[in-house]
Amino acid sequence: GAVVSQHPSRVICKSGTSVKIECRSLDFQATTMFWYRQFPKQSLMLMATSNEGSKATYEQGVEKDKFLINHASLTLSTLTVTSAHPEDSSFYICSARAGQAYQETQYFGPGTRLLVL
Amino acid sequence: KNEVEQSPQNLTAQEGEFITINCSYSVGISALHWLQQHPGGGIVSLFMLSSGKKKHGRLIATINIQEKHSSLHITASHPRDSAVYICAVRQYGGATNKLIFGTGTLLAVQP
Repeated sequence: GAVVSQHPSRVICKSGTSVKIECRSLDFQATTMFWYRQFPKQSLMLMATSNEGSKATYEQGVEKDKFLINHASLTLSTLTVTSAHPEDSSFYICSARAGQAYQETQYFGPGTRLLVL
Repeated sequence: KNEVEQSPQNLTAQEGEFITINCSYSVGISALHWLQQHPGGGIVSLFMLSSGKKKHGRLIATINIQEKHSSLHITASHPRDSAVYICAVRQYGGATNKLIFGTGTLLAVQP
């Protein structure tokens, strides 16, 4: 099946620094990528949806200036957590889909665990 | 009330047992996903359904569109099946086709 990779898988950073997470679709072109955040024992929360070449659509309550999303190519999207704080510590998961049609499967990355000290 | 409800929330089974996890939803959908999340966090897409039934190995997923209900079955369960199983639906006609997630079912299969 299709594969979505994320890098890094785990990152620890100091408060105030910025962290970039990469999401790649390895064997298909992802016209749409989704970024989720998951806190312990909770379900995935959609942060934003990005379509290649256009600005991301952020969910209500998600600060677009803090969580910068770039979807510059059909195989790569990046999420940058700017000026990270301990409350940003979470599990970040990207997901990718090849098209908009209802039959298109959505594939998930392995996630990135962020710990902000 | 959540738009996607799963039951049970927690399930403990003995190795070899037949397992059923249920998902009910209250919105019109274009597709339903069953996902598996292991303790390490990575998510695997098990099935995407829009009607009928799908089978992959020991896993079977069914959906009844009229009743707005889906089930995930695991035959001959094994400890390696221990994970969180998540039902997610894509709402029909949604602007961004985003998924609505259930809260998950934590399955523990004991040897």
